[in-house]
Amino acid sequence: QSVLKQPPSVSAAPGQKVTISCSGTSSNIANNYVSWYQQLPGAAPKLLIYESNKRPSWIPDRFSGSKSGTSATLGITGLQAGDEALYYCATWDSSLSVIFGGGTKLTVL
Amino acid sequence: QVQLVESGGGVVQPGRSLRLSCGASGFTFSSYAMHWVRQAPGKGLEWLALVSYDGNNKYYTDSVKGRFTISRDNSKDTLHLRMDSLRPEDTAVYFCVRDATHLVSYFEYWGQGTLVTVSS
Repeated sequence: QSVLKQPPSVSAAPGQKVTISCSGTSSNIANNYVSWYQQLPGAAPKLLIYESNKRPSWIPDRFSGSKSGTSATLGITGLQAGDEALYYCATWDSSLSVIFGGGTKLTVL
Repeated sequence: QVQLVESGGGVVQPGRSLRLSCGASGFTFSSYAMHWVRQAPGKGLEWLALVSYDGNNKYYTDSVKGRFTISRDNSKDTLHLRMDSLRPEDTAVYFCVRDATHLVSYFEYWGQGTLVTVSS
């Protein structure tokens, strides 16, 4: 069972917006940056968001991140079929380890 | 461009050992921390271990402490993961991952992974 809690699945129609939550505790998210990763079917994960709300230059601005207290959120606007993937959050924990969320499967209807 | 290529995976019997390697290119290997992350079939991502840029600091997740050892050879731009006392639950794809800094921040680049199957 993952320390960071994510919804197992979310779905929305093409062109719509979706958010994915990542819930932690004072031992992890509250005092550390959060990063997000996208894993397309059969592929390695790829960095989407770092330092809670920053995007690598190769990631479109349809993807956004935010953090408040012990939770973080990934937002995706203008949904496309190619966004169907697994999404994971991650952060550093006071137990001196990196922890991942359980992953959220995004379905574009 | 950054490239990370894992090798050393395969089928191994329970209780045996295996060493994974990751060859790095396209960046100054000795300037970055490196990680191993794994993914069991149909499961989520699990961080395993971290080694700092100079090899002096190492951290492990509890489930592999005492069994797995992360190391690096900066003269050969190579990362290793020595896995001892392997268990069936260690069956997974193992990813080599480059951090964005010299210690720990986030997973900036990922290799394609190598499959380890622990089975008799």
